[in-house]
Amino acid sequence: GAVVSQHPSRVICKSGTSVKIECRSLDFQATTMFWYRQFPKKSLMLMATSNEGSKATYEQGVEKDKFLINHASLTLSTLTVTSAHPEDSSFYICSARDQLRGAQETQYFGPGTRLLVL
Amino acid sequence: SQQGEEDPQALSIQEGENATMNCSYKTSINNLQWYRQNSGRGLVHLILIRSNEREKHSGRLRVTLDTSKKSSSLLITASRAADTASYFCATDKGNYGQNFVFGPGTRLSVLP
Repeated sequence: GAVVSQHPSRVICKSGTSVKIECRSLDFQATTMFWYRQFPKKSLMLMATSNEGSKATYEQGVEKDKFLINHASLTLSTLTVTSAHPEDSSFYICSARDQLRGAQETQYFGPGTRLLVL
Repeated sequence: SQQGEEDPQALSIQEGENATMNCSYKTSINNLQWYRQNSGRGLVHLILIRSNEREKHSGRLRVTLDTSKKSSSLLITASRAADTASYFCATDKGNYGQNFVFGPGTRLSVLP
C-alpha cells in the first residue's frame, strides 16, 4: 500500500516551453501532497505543499507563477514548470501522506521526474 | 543553520560489515525519519522515530534518537551490496508530516 506514482519519469524540452508533471496516489487518498526539487548529489528541497481544493503553499524563494500547482482531486496533484529554462533542469519528486493508514507523519514518495531543459 | 545534517557524507564498507550514519539537527522536533534513495529514484521510507522514543528496530536497521544531543543514528547491520544507496534523515518539526527538512544525506557504498 501507500504507492505514489509520477509521470513522466523523464522529460526533455526546449527552453521556453511548459512541462506538466503528474503525481498520483494509487491506493489511498491524499488531501496533501508535497513537491520537492533535488539537484545532483544533493538533498531534497521542499518547493510547495499542495492542498486538495485550495491554493498551494509555496516555500520562500519559490516562484508560484513559475511552478504552478493544481491539486484537483484527492489522488492527483500536478506541477507545471512554465516557460522552462535550463536552470530549471532538475529532479522533481512528489510525496503524499496517507492519513488513514499507518503513521500519519510519514510521507510516501513518488519515483521522481527528471527534467532536462535544452 | 541547516536542520538534519548527516555524517559522514560518504561511507564505503565491505559486505557483511555494519554501517553507521549520523544525523544532527538544531531545533526541537516531533519526529525524525530515515529514508533511502537509490540513484535516480524516489525515496523509500525506512523508519520513523518519535521524539519520546530512544531506539527502534526494523530488520537489520536500528535507529537511535538522543533529543538532548539533537542527534540520531542509523545502523545497518550485516550490510549487503544491495544496501548501496543514499540515506537521508528528515526532521519533522510539526505534526502530521507537514514540515519535513531533509539533511544532505550519506552516500553508502557496500562493496562485494
